[in-house]
Amino acid sequence: EAGVTQFPSHSVIEKGQTVTLRCDPISGHDNLYWYRRVMGKEIKFLLHFVKESKQDESGMPNNRFLAERTGGTYSTLKVQPAELEDSGVYFCASSQEMRLAGLNEQFFGPGTRLTVL
Amino acid sequence: QKEVEQNSGPLSVPEGAIASLNCTYSDRVSQSFFWYRQYSGKSPELIMSIYSNGDKEDGRFTAQLNKASQYVSLLIRDSQPSDSATYLCAVHTGGFKTIFGAGTRLFVKA
Repeated sequence: EAGVTQFPSHSVIEKGQTVTLRCDPISGHDNLYWYRRVMGKEIKFLLHFVKESKQDESGMPNNRFLAERTGGTYSTLKVQPAELEDSGVYFCASSQEMRLAGLNEQFFGPGTRLTVL
Repeated sequence: QKEVEQNSGPLSVPEGAIASLNCTYSDRVSQSFFWYRQYSGKSPELIMSIYSNGDKEDGRFTAQLNKASQYVSLLIRDSQPSDSATYLCAVHTGGFKTIFGAGTRLFVKA
């Protein structure tokens, strides 16, 4: 079974440009999460999808970030326009369930390292 | 107070010893607890999950949970140099959000 995949693995852009990150969850996982890790800091929750619906987007930093999950399969996270402080590693994770113990384990993708110059 | 706290380390243990990693959390209604291992430049890898008070063993790993003390730990027996990594404690809170600690760096000396 394929794991969570993310694309691209690295992205270097200039301040003011737009970047779109993609995440493909494990097949059959309804729950998809985006996280960000800024250098030296802990992994921070950004948002959570259940199928195509945003369950919780309380971690999104500001309205320059837009996440979508059309059709409830893969998800995209767009940053527009990018700022210097957006640099970091963006992780996607998926889980089969959210609340049921034993089924709410999240499996992470390899991450996208974003550098904004 | 951080929602999930871990000692940043580094924790250094000799090969073959027991490594003990600790984590405390603030949300008393948290229900699910996870330990992830993260090698430098890699993504977090789930190694243990625990949901009930007590111990849960899986190979060389034992997770311990004490909800009354809001404390969860990970023991690694017979530590190997390949266990050297950052260990992340993650807590699924009462609001169903997963909060990560900053991680503890473990070094296992050969």
